[in-house]
Amino acid sequence: DAGVIQSPRHEVTEMGQEVTLRCKPISGHDYLFWYRQTMMRGLELLIYFNNNVPIDDSGMPEDRFSAKMPNASFSTLKIQPSEPRDSAVYFCASSLLGWGTDTQYFGPGTRLTVL
Amino acid sequence: AQSVTQPDIHITVSEGASLELRCNYSYGATPYLFWYVQSPGQGLQLLLKYFSGDTLVQGIKGFEAEFKRSQSSFNLRKPSVHWSDAAEYFCAVGAGNRDDKIIFGKGTRLHILP
Repeated sequence: DAGVIQSPRHEVTEMGQEVTLRCKPISGHDYLFWYRQTMMRGLELLIYFNNNVPIDDSGMPEDRFSAKMPNASFSTLKIQPSEPRDSAVYFCASSLLGWGTDTQYFGPGTRLTVL
Repeated sequence: AQSVTQPDIHITVSEGASLELRCNYSYGATPYLFWYVQSPGQGLQLLLKYFSGDTLVQGIKGFEAEFKRSQSSFNLRKPSVHWSDAAEYFCAVGAGNRDDKIIFGKGTRLHILP
């Protein structure tokens, strides 16, 4: 298995632009997670899906952030409009059985820089 | 709610020396405990996990961790580190239900001296 795939690996954009991050989870995994990692705040969960349905989006910072999972093999995280404080590494992860009990498999991350 | 603390932000050890990374958790029941490693520029990878049973858990890359309920700890150990072990290590605690949160610690960055 190729593991969790994320694209792009790096994104540099200007403030106010729309940014779309993409994720392909491991085939057969029912759970998908989006995390954000910064030096100041560490690893934060933004949202997670179970069988393509968003279950907990309480970590989404504000309305500028949105996430979708149109099918079992694809998810997007969109930031519109982007701001410099959104600069971070964004990780997608998937797991087979769940969150509190199962191993999460992380993608390599997308490093976002908003100028 | 559960919480996890990694008291050491940075640790430096010499190659070949032993290693212990500390992790303390707070949770009322028996927690699900994890250690993940993040190499530079990579995502997190599971090293080992504890759910129940034997309190000494073996993981990949020669790591082990011991669950000590009396001390609310789940410290990670390795008898002899290699330069390739330089990375950031995250302890995480879950509440044991499928849709409960996993809380990650802030991480400990391990530096290896040649």
